[in-house]
Amino acid sequence: AQSVTQLGSHVSVSEGALVLLRCNYSSSVPPYLFWYVQYPNQGLQLLLKYTSAATLVKGINGFEAEFKKSETSFHLTKPSAHMSDAAEYFCAVRTYNQGGKLIFGQGTELSVKP
Amino acid sequence: DGGITQSPKYLFRKEGQNVTLSCEQNLNHDAMYWYRQDPGQGLRLIYYSQIVNDFQKGDIAEGYSVSREKKESFPLTVTSAQKNPTAFYLCASSILTFKGTGELFFGEGSRLTVL
Repeated sequence: AQSVTQLGSHVSVSEGALVLLRCNYSSSVPPYLFWYVQYPNQGLQLLLKYTSAATLVKGINGFEAEFKKSETSFHLTKPSAHMSDAAEYFCAVRTYNQGGKLIFGQGTELSVKP
Repeated sequence: DGGITQSPKYLFRKEGQNVTLSCEQNLNHDAMYWYRQDPGQGLRLIYYSQIVNDFQKGDIAEGYSVSREKKESFPLTVTSAQKNPTAFYLCASSILTFKGTGELFFGEGSRLTVL
């Protein structure tokens, strides 16, 4: 069975600081991994995805994530946080059953201090 | 512009009433999904459908029902049997997974509050 674990339900950074949101996955097969962002009372927007091509994946809004098989990790980073980055972030893994559903982590709320 | 439209955005319901949430997509996607979101619990799958006139239960289907009469539409009914229906409901769609990478495209969500 596949699963994802996001370490830290809440992360706070200062504007201009590095953003690091952690995600570890469990999968017995090569995974497809995703990061989504959600602003209050809105749907989820895809930030980036790993699909077994390059291990370093670049996404929208300056975010990137690195797939590390040896560590079963897919952490999300951004070199310099903006106030507009404050939101909730979800890591997800695609399953091979139930219609290829995505299994989501619990989410990490990112706060950005001025 | 292509996308997923959910309505209503906010809905209030009295206990014992059924309510139907609408989801329409014009992305020409075959697969559609309903997720429920509760604070601190991530998203949990309620139902999914990969083809018209066919749908499958997800992880928390009890107290919910769906239909898929058209490719574009996948309404969700929250019945009075759902013990704790207050939540944020998200509809999503995707191409069939064997045709691509399987990312989901989400609507803006519907917030249901039971009074």
